Amino acid sequence: GAVVSQHPSRVICKSGTSVKIECRSLDFQATTMFWYRQFPKQSLMLMATSNEGSKATYEQGVEKDKFLINHASLTLSTLTVTSAHPEDSSFYICSASPRFREETQYFGPGTRLLVL
Amino acid sequence: SQQGEEDPQALSIQEGENATMNCSYKTSINNLQWYRQNSGRGLVHLILIRSNEREKHSGRLRVTLDTSKKSSSLLITASRAADTASYFCATPPGGTSYGKLTFGQGTILTVHP
Repeated sequence: GAVVSQHPSRVICKSGTSVKIECRSLDFQATTMFWYRQFPKQSLMLMATSNEGSKATYEQGVEKDKFLINHASLTLSTLTVTSAHPEDSSFYICSASPRFREETQYFGPGTRLLVL
Repeated sequence: SQQGEEDPQALSIQEGENATMNCSYKTSINNLQWYRQNSGRGLVHLILIRSNEREKHSGRLRVTLDTSKKSSSLLITASRAADTASYFCATPPGGTSYGKLTFGQGTILTVHP
């Protein structure tokens, strides 16, 4: 089956620093990747849609200058949380849709971010 | 209310019993998907049901879709302790078959051995 990886799986950082999270599709090409955020015991909320070779599309209320998304290749998208603050602490999950089979999304294992 | 609301929010059953979770949505859909999430992990795709389908099976899973009521249900038969997880329904944007998903609030299922 299709596999999506995320790195790191867990990160603790100091307030004010930036954190980069990678999302990779390991065995398929993904024209589109999605970034979600999940607070404890809550559902997933879409943050942005990442398209290879173009600018990401952000959902309403998501600051694009704070959550920088780069989709440089068909297998890699990165989310950078800039100047992180404690309220950015959350579980970040990416998903990827295989080229030509966009109905199905495969999710990464998630990245737990804790900002102190 | 947002697309994909589910009930119950939490369900606790004994191993061997059946578990039924419901999902309601607001706008028209092309398909509806169910996912499972183990604690602290990513999501696993369980099943996709299209708007022209009424029922779909996959192993111990049975999904129904009632487009007239804008609702879907997920039935897990003969539950096991390993089925303990959160279950979410999700839909792509109205009228499309793929794209960003809107998730329901989820049902936390606990299966006691």
